Amino acid sequence: AQKITQTQPGMFVQEKEAVTLDCTYDTSDPSYGLFWYKQPSSGEMIFLIYQGSYDQQNATEGRYSLNFQKARKSANLVISASQLGDSAMYFCAMRNNNAGNMLTFGGGTRLMVKP
Amino acid sequence: EAGVAQSPRYKIIEKRQSVAFWCNPISGHATLYWYQQILGQGPKLLIQFQNNGVVDDSQLPKDRFSAERLKGVDSTLKIQPAKLEDSAVYLCASSLTVGTSGYEQYFGPGTRLTVT
Repeated sequence: AQKITQTQPGMFVQEKEAVTLDCTYDTSDPSYGLFWYKQPSSGEMIFLIYQGSYDQQNATEGRYSLNFQKARKSANLVISASQLGDSAMYFCAMRNNNAGNMLTFGGGTRLMVKP
Repeated sequence: EAGVAQSPRYKIIEKRQSVAFWCNPISGHATLYWYQQILGQGPKLLIQFQNNGVVDDSQLPKDRFSAERLKGVDSTLKIQPAKLEDSAVYLCASSLTVGTSGYEQYFGPGTRLTVT
């Protein structure tokens, strides 16, 4: 069975600083994908970044980067130069490539950016 | 391109009543998902469609929940009868197809259901 763990229920970061949101996962399948989504107070889930289990390099998308450490089964999200608009819930999710496209989500981390 | 559309955005019903939610995925997206997100938790998949066929409904409480995607485009999710614990946000998502590439899921705004 797949499991995603986000151990930080809430995080504060100063505007313009970088922040790391933790995510660990557990799966016995060799082929999987890891995703990060942002959920602002409006409720919509916004896709941020994707990392495949066979990808050699860490994924980056603008201010977002994914620190993928396969041996440690961690996929931490790094947000550089935080902005006030980054305040939201952040969810890590995993897809088992051998079981359709189903996503298993972690419990989320609430990020609050201070001015 | 238009995103995933859902309606209604909010619904309040009494327990034992029935309710239906509607979802229109992004044009061309073959795969459609319904998730339940209880307050303070991550979304949990209820059902996944590939075109108009069910791929996974293992976490759908079939005694009270039903979903259909008759023409492979729009989908409806129904709860009958509703219980207090069904209070949640119901998210619809779509993706191009099932595969091993990114194929990220795009989510709609959700329907917030309150059962009193």
